[in-house]
Amino acid sequence: QITLKESGPTLVKPTQTLTLTCTFSGFSLTSSRVGVGWIRQPPGKALEWLALIYWDDDERYRPSLERRLTITKDTSKNQVVLTMTNMDPVDTATYYCIHVKQSYVWHIDYWGQGTLVTVSS
Amino acid sequence: DIQMTQSPSSLSASVGDRVTITCRASQSIRNYLNWYQQKPGKAPTLLIYASSLLQSGVPSRFSGSGSGTDFTLTISGLQPEDFATYYCQHSYSTPWTFGQGTKVEI
Repeated sequence: QITLKESGPTLVKPTQTLTLTCTFSGFSLTSSRVGVGWIRQPPGKALEWLALIYWDDDERYRPSLERRLTITKDTSKNQVVLTMTNMDPVDTATYYCIHVKQSYVWHIDYWGQGTLVTVSS
Repeated sequence: DIQMTQSPSSLSASVGDRVTITCRASQSIRNYLNWYQQKPGKAPTLLIYASSLLQSGVPSRFSGSGSGTDFTLTISGLQPEDFATYYCQHSYSTPWTFGQGTKVEI
């Protein structure tokens, strides 16, 4: 059974750096055609894809945020970490960790419960 | 970026109704189209992937179709637990993008 859980601060100040950790179980990020990523959802708004890291270490980022984002993996700890620099109130959102796999097409088959991050001074 | 446009943004329906939600991509995405359901306060769950493949455990009243730029999610016989927001998402290339969502209300 695949599970993912997000952890990190619930409140950050403007200009600070956000670090979120996704701790997962039930799969290995060394298995081919899988990946772990992050999606966010501002309150009352739609889903926004942020970043992915694949089993082969390929990293992909949302172009508009690429300068602020870094995604890394630690396969020994079963963790993926997302850092986002220079946080702004518009970055207030629920951040979800996701498991993706390629079966016919890439799709998100598991989601974490999400963690609400508020950016405020 | 490939833009995904859903319609309608919301709809009202009754239990037992047949509901259709459409999703249009700004360019061809072949069948790289997935559908998700999200209930208030919860993470989304996968319903359909590759345009028409039903995710394991999802009731068969959910179906998807389409290819290229135009896609449809159909719920045949709406159930009380189906009142939720539905999102389409493409995985043709990164950045993956979602539609703005369709809220299905009573």
